[in-house]
Amino acid sequence: RKEVEQDPGPFNVPEGATVAFNCTYSNSASQSFFWYRQDCRKEPKLLMSVYSSGNEDGRFTAQLNRASQYISLLIRDSKLSDSATYLCVVPRGGSQGNLIFGKGTKLSVKP
Amino acid sequence: GAVVSQHPSRVICKSGTSVKIECRSLDFQATTMFWYRQFPKQSLMLMATSNEGSKATYEQGVEKDKFLINHASLTLSTLTVTSAHPEDSSFYICSARRRQGGNTEAFFGQGTRLTVV
Repeated sequence: RKEVEQDPGPFNVPEGATVAFNCTYSNSASQSFFWYRQDCRKEPKLLMSVYSSGNEDGRFTAQLNRASQYISLLIRDSKLSDSATYLCVVPRGGSQGNLIFGKGTKLSVKP
Repeated sequence: GAVVSQHPSRVICKSGTSVKIECRSLDFQATTMFWYRQFPKQSLMLMATSNEGSKATYEQGVEKDKFLINHASLTLSTLTVTSAHPEDSSFYICSARRRQGGNTEAFFGQGTRLTVV
């Protein structure tokens, strides 16, 4: 299994749709996880941190399944402005370690 | 506002020349900074970890003599691409992690798009 692996995408969804992205990781000792958002030709920006079973922030919900080494990101009522690439990120070697990025899943929300 | 500032945002250079990219943490001290490279439609790939006051740690396959890293102060790390070639054309991004409360968040510079002609 790769260190961090994500759904290949792209996801093309209409406005208002609910969309979910999946991510698997190989290091069972990992304790913290992150979802970053990257717009085209821009730097990544933190969307959500996941330290326990999950996290919710408005329309965004991240869930963690340690047994399956699996993280998901759910976006409800998607907006045009949600169009971006979503990166699953896992620190290597503990919470202070290097961040290892998944390849990202591209989301396009259409009117 | 920006927490990590990277400069320049875009640079075009001739093959064989060197390019220096700066990364500054603006309101915190960073003993460690990270340099990433991203090719089109690819993920961010960690190149090296920059350590203040000591040598950088390079990822496997990254030439330390080609990508010179200097972290002379707690707020500045520089990446110099020496003898640049067209295959070095890429998006280079630096990152620094800031601890606030019990959490640590990684902030990224705006990135530098390097084109070697």
